[in-house]
Parts: sequence; C-alpha cells; structure tokens
Amino acid sequence: SQQGEEDPQALSIQEGENATMNCSYKTSINNLQWYRQNSGRGLVHLILIRSNEREKHSGRLRVTLDTSKKSSSLLITASRAADTASYFCATDAGNTPLVFGKGTRLSVIA
Amino acid sequence: DVKVTQSSRYLVKRTGEKVFLECVQDMDHENMFWYRQDPGLGLRLIYFSYDVKMKEKGDIPEGYSVSREKKERFSLILESASTNQTSMYLCASSRDVQETQYFGPGTRLLVL
Repeated sequence: SQQGEEDPQALSIQEGENATMNCSYKTSINNLQWYRQNSGRGLVHLILIRSNEREKHSGRLRVTLDTSKKSSSLLITASRAADTASYFCATDAGNTPLVFGKGTRLSVIA
Repeated sequence: DVKVTQSSRYLVKRTGEKVFLECVQDMDHENMFWYRQDPGLGLRLIYFSYDVKMKEKGDIPEGYSVSREKKERFSLILESASTNQTSMYLCASSRDVQETQYFGPGTRLLVL
C-alpha cells in the first residue's frame, strides 16, 4: 500500500522551539493530510495539501509537499506544551480511503 | 461543526461475547469508516461504507462485520470477541472518500 511513514517516531523539544515532522509515501497521490491525536482521543484534521500545491500555512502550522521526492513535512512554530500529541500523515491515491502512517509522538516540555 | 459520536468510551467484554460498537455522525456524510489503533501499528482500516447498506472490507476485516441501515449510523460487530481484539476502535466519517475525515472520540475495548 502507499502508506505514509512519519519520521521521527518520537520527538521531544522545549516550549518555544520549532517542531518538524516528515512523511514519506510510495505512490502518486491526489492529496496529503495531517492529523493530530491527543492521548486517548480521536484524530483531528489539521491541514490538507493537494498534489499541485507546494506549501500551505494554517496559523503556526506550515506544510510542504515535494511530489518528486514523495515526501511532506509539517512544521509547528513556537511550540507550546498543548501541542504535545501524536501527528499522523494520511495519503490518498484515487477513489480509495485514506491510508494513515504510524505517527510521530511529539512532546513539548514547558 | 461535524460531530461523530461513539456509543462507549470504555468497554470490557468476555471472550466469546458478541460486541456492538455504534457510531453516529450528524453531517449527512456519505462515507463512514471503522479503524483499530494499536501501539506501533498505527491506524488500520477494518471496514468502510460509502452508502446505506453498502460496505467494503478494509485491511483487517477478519473477525468483524458491519451494518449501515441508516446514513448516520455505522455499527461494528465483533461476532465472538477474542483477546486479540483488545484495542482502541475509532470511527470516522467524510463527505468524499478522499477528503477530510472526522473522527469520534474512540472506544477502548478490553476483551478478557
């Protein structure tokens, strides 16, 4: 399958620092999405970037997409303790459901 | 705002019991999904439905069945629960199968 793989698996940073997470996938996609999951809860959609877009911003989030390298990155600027969560990328390649990666666990230390 | 609700947050069942997990969405979405989430394995799709009474197998359908009698409701059924079905179960819905999914809070199922 074209499952996205996040890197790193876990990341620990100090409050105020930037956090960068990466996602690589295997086949061509229509769009790539990033989701966040607080411990023990459901996933919440953060941002969707289409295959013809290279960069997208939403508040403190910046997502890039490089289709030639089949990779995406999620940057969280000026991180806060409340950003502590797991972050997942999800890809689609046609009329099939999204395929989620295994996630990056982000810890932001106050 | 889209709201997806799941019938239970925590559930404890015995091996061999029949288990029903219910999911309801209030945004008239065509598509609904059931996932299980286990440490180190991420989200794995069990079943999805793109219309009332329609269902498609996901990656791990064995041991599960589903029912979608009404558009807003998608049920996951464990016919005979086993200990290896202990997991976090997540329901989601979306307008289009490729677009944003909206998740419920999850049901943590423990099978003893």
